[in-house]
Amino acid sequence: KNEVEQSPQNLTAQEGEFITINCSYSVGISALHWLQQHPGGGIVSLFMLSSGKKKHGRLIATINIQEKHSSLHITASHPRDSAVYICAVDNTDKLIFGTGTRLQVFP
Amino acid sequence: DTEVTQTPKHLVMGMTNKKSLKCEQHMGHRAMYWYKQKAKKPPELMFVYSYEKLSINESVPSRFSPECPNSSLLNLHLHALQPEDSALYLCASIGRGVRNTEAFFGQGTRLTVV
Repeated sequence: KNEVEQSPQNLTAQEGEFITINCSYSVGISALHWLQQHPGGGIVSLFMLSSGKKKHGRLIATINIQEKHSSLHITASHPRDSAVYICAVDNTDKLIFGTGTRLQVFP
Repeated sequence: DTEVTQTPKHLVMGMTNKKSLKCEQHMGHRAMYWYKQKAKKPPELMFVYSYEKLSINESVPSRFSPECPNSSLLNLHLHALQPEDSALYLCASIGRGVRNTEAFFGQGTRLTVV
């Protein structure tokens, strides 16, 4: 079993839909990162969370430390949101990555 | 400057070649990482440098040799690679201060071994 599990693995949405991606982890962490990777490779950090909730534009990330669970929400999704979203946990000296969620938003 | 810069962006090398990948950051981060990513898979950790010392080697074959000449630079020396080593190689850095644990990633080097 992976130390960091994401669901769903693939997600298709119509433009404007509300999207939720979930992440569960089984190790102790100092922080959790939500990352975005577009085709071509570059990874962009969206959020770093150690507790509570953060919002940036149409993106909202929450974390429940007791339940070892985090969610990434996208409101009013847009085709440019199409990418792979990766949850990664900061475990001592290393980032442990989830398997990623491939999101496609259609107009 | 909140960037991690990797060079080259693309690299094609033969199995007998020696080449190096470079990674540079000027954010004062003391933790730098090399990851390998195959298509449609999450990045896999290869090496971690903490305060310019190798702190984690995830059982990477010796044909990959990391080097951290100073706190801003990270190299990955490649020698006698195999075609299955073809992948996207990503460098990352993370600040380890109380308020600064955001992760920054380079654009990656897409390596093809022929």
